[in-house]
Amino acid sequence: ELKVEQNPLFLSMQEGKNYTIYCNYSTTSDRLYWYRQDPGKSLESLFVLLSNGAVKQEGRLMASLDTKARLSTLHITAAVHDLSATYFCAVDAYGGSQGNLIFGKGTKLSVKP
Amino acid sequence: DAGITQSPRHKVTETGTPVTLRCHQTENHRYMYWYRQDPGHGLRLIHYSYGVKDTDKGEVSDGYSVSRSKTEDFLLTLESATSSQTSVYFCAISDSTAGGRYEQYFGPGTRLTVT
Repeated sequence: ELKVEQNPLFLSMQEGKNYTIYCNYSTTSDRLYWYRQDPGKSLESLFVLLSNGAVKQEGRLMASLDTKARLSTLHITAAVHDLSATYFCAVDAYGGSQGNLIFGKGTKLSVKP
Repeated sequence: DAGITQSPRHKVTETGTPVTLRCHQTENHRYMYWYRQDPGHGLRLIHYSYGVKDTDKGEVSDGYSVSRSKTEDFLLTLESATSSQTSVYFCAISDSTAGGRYEQYFGPGTRLTVT
């Protein structure tokens, strides 16, 4: 059974600081997704990582994938208040055509002035 | 935004009553999914569909059934609602793209309360 663990689950940061969210998963997979969810809203796709060593960047967020370590990271650079949200990683459960995803429990990020 | 709508957006129902939630897409995507989101659990897959009349169970399928008679519509039915099914339900769609992304796009969600 594929398990996906995120840590930390809660993160309070000051503006301008850097931090990393970790996503570990238990079985082989080479497709990993990061989503953002604002309170009371739906999920928004941030990054799609499809191979070992993949790195994607958008603004102050950078995601990477190490399939050998079964680890993805979401790095936040110089945090701003607008980044406050819950971030989910999700791993393709079968590596097949259905695209079934197993989600982590989410990391609730709060950026304070 | 991907063309996904869910109806109703909010519903309060009583224990033991049947409930049907609808997901409608205008993207002609092959795959459709139903998830539930509960505090402390993230999102959990209930059922998914890989084509018209082709569906399969997900992680938490007990107490739920689905149907897909048209590409654009995916229905989730709670045959006899229970308080444990109080949750926020999200529909998602995906399809294969260059590079095998299968990126999922989510609908706005339905907040269901079972009293």
